Amino acid sequence: TQLLEQSPQFLSIQEGENLTVYCNSSSVFSSLQWYRQEPGEGPVLLVTVVTGGEVKKLKRLTFQFGDARKDSSLHITAAQPGDTGLYLCAGARSNDYKLSFGAGTTVTVRA
Amino acid sequence: KAGVTQTPRYLIKTRGQQVTLSCSPISGHRSVSWYQQTPGQGLQFLFEYFSETQRNKGNFPGRFSGRQFSNSRSEMNVSTLELGDSALYLCASSLGGGYQETQYFGPGTRLLVL
Repeated sequence: TQLLEQSPQFLSIQEGENLTVYCNSSSVFSSLQWYRQEPGEGPVLLVTVVTGGEVKKLKRLTFQFGDARKDSSLHITAAQPGDTGLYLCAGARSNDYKLSFGAGTTVTVRA
Repeated sequence: KAGVTQTPRYLIKTRGQQVTLSCSPISGHRSVSWYQQTPGQGLQFLFEYFSETQRNKGNFPGRFSGRQFSNSRSEMNVSTLELGDSALYLCASSLGGGYQETQYFGPGTRLLVL
């Protein structure tokens, strides 16, 4: 069983629409990271959030860390075909030296 | 700065054989982690090394082992391969492995066990 539950598993939207991906856990994490992975490549870090309630914005992407540091969300505004990929959330704890990944959300943005 | 490199990129083995995968971290990075990625289980943590010491190990059988060399390069070995070991094996490096640090992933080694 995954320590982090991601939803939805698949998301297919039209270019210009908004989307939100959720990452939930019953465990507390010291940090929560979001990655995007494209076919044939390794995951690439998008953002790291470490403070409960923290909100980070990167252009059209908005990331939020829950107050209790157990959940997070990724919101994309006006999605573009270049946003297509597998989005993964991963939690880390201090002195654990590992990432616990969610199962991932496959996002497809149609032109 | 060169990224994380993994060799080989693709590998085909048969059941019962063993395999060794290699990972070269980004220069200056001393922490190297390994993950197994499958469609059914997603990304699962295998182990993490720092300065040649294993600091954490995931829930995998003893057939999976690894090591790190003094130049931070790392290898993982899988003995007595099973069909279920078919997966993408990813290596990630960071400066020290801390929870706030950026993990840089390599492109992975795709292993197919027949």
